Amino acid sequence: AQTVTQSQPEMSVQEAETVTLSCTYDTSESDYYLFWYKQPPSRQMILVIRQEAYKQQNATENRFSVNFQKAAKSFSLKISDSQLGDAAMYFCAYTRGYNNNDMRFGAGTRLTVKP
Amino acid sequence: DGGITQSPKYLFRKEGQNVTLSCEQNLNHDAMYWYRQDPGQGLRLIYYSQIVNDFQKGDIAEGYSVSREKKESFPLTVTSAQKNPTAFYLCASSARGRVGEKLFFGSGTQLSVL
Repeated sequence: AQTVTQSQPEMSVQEAETVTLSCTYDTSESDYYLFWYKQPPSRQMILVIRQEAYKQQNATENRFSVNFQKAAKSFSLKISDSQLGDAAMYFCAYTRGYNNNDMRFGAGTRLTVKP
Repeated sequence: DGGITQSPKYLFRKEGQNVTLSCEQNLNHDAMYWYRQDPGQGLRLIYYSQIVNDFQKGDIAEGYSVSREKKESFPLTVTSAQKNPTAFYLCASSARGRVGEKLFFGSGTQLSVL
């Protein structure tokens, strides 16, 4: 079974600085999809960024970017110019893709942003 | 605006009682999901439905039941057989048949035992 591991239960960053959240996964598949979801205090999960495994280019969305290392099965999230609104739980997720019933989530990383 | 509505936001269950969590979506999505979230753990799949009148068990279906009579609705019943129901429950949906499609989530229901 595929597993997703987030080794950092908590992280903190100073406002305007950069922080990287780690995620590793285990799979024997060659085609799959990886996601970072954000869960703010409202508790509604919001998609931050999505990566397709067959694409070598790292995905970026404004201040959010990933470092996708397929051979190492690593998928880290970099947040640049951190803002107070970035404070949240961040979950890494994996799916093979066609139907999301196999989506697997990591345990989450709680990010605190210090003013 | 399109989205997923979960109700109630907070729910309390008495011993031996069944309770039902509501999930409604107006995104015209075929696929819907129920997840359970416990502190320090990721989301775990309870049930999912890819199409009306069909649903499948996820990883932790014991003590739960669902129905999918309408495309828009996917209610979850937490039965008295679920001995540890205190958790945060999230409903999600996605477009079926599209590869690697993201999930849209509701705002969740916090269930506690009295």
